Amino acid sequence: GESVGLHLPTLSVQEGDNSIINCAYSNSASDYFIWYKQESGKGPQFIIDIRSNMDKRQGQRVTVLLNKTVKHLSLQIAATQPGDSAVYFCAEGSPNTGFQKLVFGTGTRLLVSP
Amino acid sequence: GAVVSQHPSWVICKSGTSVKIECRSLDFQATTMFWYRQFPKQSLMLMATSNEGSKATYEQGVEKDKFLINHASLTLSTLTVTSAHPEDSSFYICSAQTTGRVETQYFGPGTRLLVL
Repeated sequence: GESVGLHLPTLSVQEGDNSIINCAYSNSASDYFIWYKQESGKGPQFIIDIRSNMDKRQGQRVTVLLNKTVKHLSLQIAATQPGDSAVYFCAEGSPNTGFQKLVFGTGTRLLVSP
Repeated sequence: GAVVSQHPSWVICKSGTSVKIECRSLDFQATTMFWYRQFPKQSLMLMATSNEGSKATYEQGVEKDKFLINHASLTLSTLTVTSAHPEDSSFYICSAQTTGRVETQYFGPGTRLLVL
């Protein structure tokens, strides 16, 4: 069945390091991907998205890379700060589920040490 | 922009009572809103998709008679947990989608429900 999963449940980094959070998806028809950040007790916050016609998209301190060949998605955070500590979810949208619906991955906890 | 609010932020109720949670898009119109449920240290599980003016579409395994969803306007959707039981205790999160073909979902802050 469809699934969106993550390789690492917890990632610990030092402040100032670059962080890379990975996500694997299994639905080859997925054509829209989003990264969300969720802090404890709060709702997910949109970080960045990418469509399948792109391989890379950059935002402020964040970059999303998409490798459709191996169905892999990653989120890179530059100069990680303690405020980046949170759980990060990838989510996918695909035509066969309707563009409106997203499937979420299991989440990766990012811990940033000062 | 794209702010979504939820009310209440937390609620404690007795078993057997019903609880209503509101989800509002504050600065945009949302033809579609979604309701998710999240258990501790787990991912978001979609419960239902709510389209303004029509019946909600529930995911497999979600009881529509227990989780009543109403989307009466382009800025408001409500989730009512009827006859709540302790196993319904969870973090309920709504999201709203802007108009368009593939658009980002913007999430509310969540409502923590504790059923005693």
